[in-house]
Amino acid sequence: SQKIEQNSEALNIQEGKTATLTCNYTNYSPAYLQWYRQDPGRGPVFLLLIRENEKEKRKERLKVTFDTTLKQSLFHITASQPADSATYLCALLSSNTGKLIFGQGTTLQVKP
Amino acid sequence: DAGVIQSPRHEVTEMGQEVTLRCKPISGHNSLFWYRQTMMRGLELLIYFNNNVPIDDSGMPEDRFSAKMPNASFSTLKIQPSEPRDSAVYFCASTDNEDRAEVSGANVLTFGAGSRLTVL
Repeated sequence: SQKIEQNSEALNIQEGKTATLTCNYTNYSPAYLQWYRQDPGRGPVFLLLIRENEKEKRKERLKVTFDTTLKQSLFHITASQPADSATYLCALLSSNTGKLIFGQGTTLQVKP
Repeated sequence: DAGVIQSPRHEVTEMGQEVTLRCKPISGHNSLFWYRQTMMRGLELLIYFNNNVPIDDSGMPEDRFSAKMPNASFSTLKIQPSEPRDSAVYFCASTDNEDRAEVSGANVLTFGAGSRLTVL
């Protein structure tokens, strides 16, 4: 069956460090992978989209990689700030069902 | 644009009561999605519409759940009768699908703030 896995354990890092979050998937052949940010009490907000033929995508302090061989995407936040504390979700389109499916999300806590 | 607007933001009801959640998508977006989020199961897609037509409702948990989209600017998700296990945050999201038959992985979703439902 198709699965998207993100670290369920919260990631705690010190301000200024680089945060790295992982999204692994099985039994998908996605053409795109998306990352969203969700703050408590709010809906997810789109951050970045990466295509299967792109190895890396950057936006300000954010960087996403996409390795279709490893079936993995890494999401990096450089020079992290306490304001980056949130839950980060990856999402893929299921080729079987045509649905956009989300991982469970990883909560990032950046300490000052 | 004010974004995707959902109401109510919070709903507390008793088991057996009917619940209606409402959504106004972004103007011009032609695909609308209803998701449910719980700690245990994360974000689950319940149903999505393309040009006001339900495309896939296989995520709707039971016959107690129904959704409608009578026009391009309004959708409802109804639970009748409600049960405690329906307690969750329900999100509506929309995207511009450019009149394609189905969404693609490139469709970026804009979510509403959610409706937190508690069924006692």
